[in-house]
Amino acid sequence: QQPVQSPQAVILREGEDAVINCSSSKALYSVHWYRQKHGEAPVFLMILLKGGEQKGHEKISASFNEKKQQSSLYLTASQLSYSGTYFCGTRWGLLGAGGTSYGKLTFGQGTILTVHP
Amino acid sequence: DADVTQTPRNRITKTGKRIMLECSQTKGHDRMYWYRQDPGLGLQLIYYSFDVKDINKGEISDGYSVSRQAQAKFSLSLESAIPNQTALYFCATQGRIQETQYFGPGTRLLVL
Repeated sequence: QQPVQSPQAVILREGEDAVINCSSSKALYSVHWYRQKHGEAPVFLMILLKGGEQKGHEKISASFNEKKQQSSLYLTASQLSYSGTYFCGTRWGLLGAGGTSYGKLTFGQGTILTVHP
Repeated sequence: DADVTQTPRNRITKTGKRIMLECSQTKGHDRMYWYRQDPGLGLQLIYYSFDVKDINKGEISDGYSVSRQAQAKFSLSLESAIPNQTALYFCATQGRIQETQYFGPGTRLLVL
């Protein structure tokens, strides 16, 4: 089942902050965040595994709340280069032998982020 | 050189034609995926393969078939193209113990 992202679109001015949420109706093993520029391939930002850890990547960070089956992506002091569509991908896969997840990714519908000067 | 390549990058075809989209990777990854992207619908999984002898249907496999010719090559075929298969198609790869998926540049397909 496809995770639900909110909001569908965000418009910011440079320097402003934004939060993008990703919710699932199923228990999650991991949440992946990707950013896609128009006409280009999605690019991996970060992954969060079960455990509720928060990760950071420059001024972009994310959290994972297992109990709520939800992840949030935080973009602080936004830059023009942050513009694009952000996708979360969720995995429900079980740990296999050797600790490897075998589940496939299911992506949300995307959140369009536009940053203006 | 790009790690994941797709050919062709753009393709126009007519209804009823058979076409093949190809994906090659030099990352040495076992797992490969085909996704379709339509505006506002995100990425939908068509087929995936965890190794050369393993092929699995995704969410929207009807009208598509795949072939895993080698670890590095994964092809997607539309046996008889129809206009609602017009979309952007992405191939992705993933390592055996790695969670991250790496996407190719995409193939933009127009079916008239």
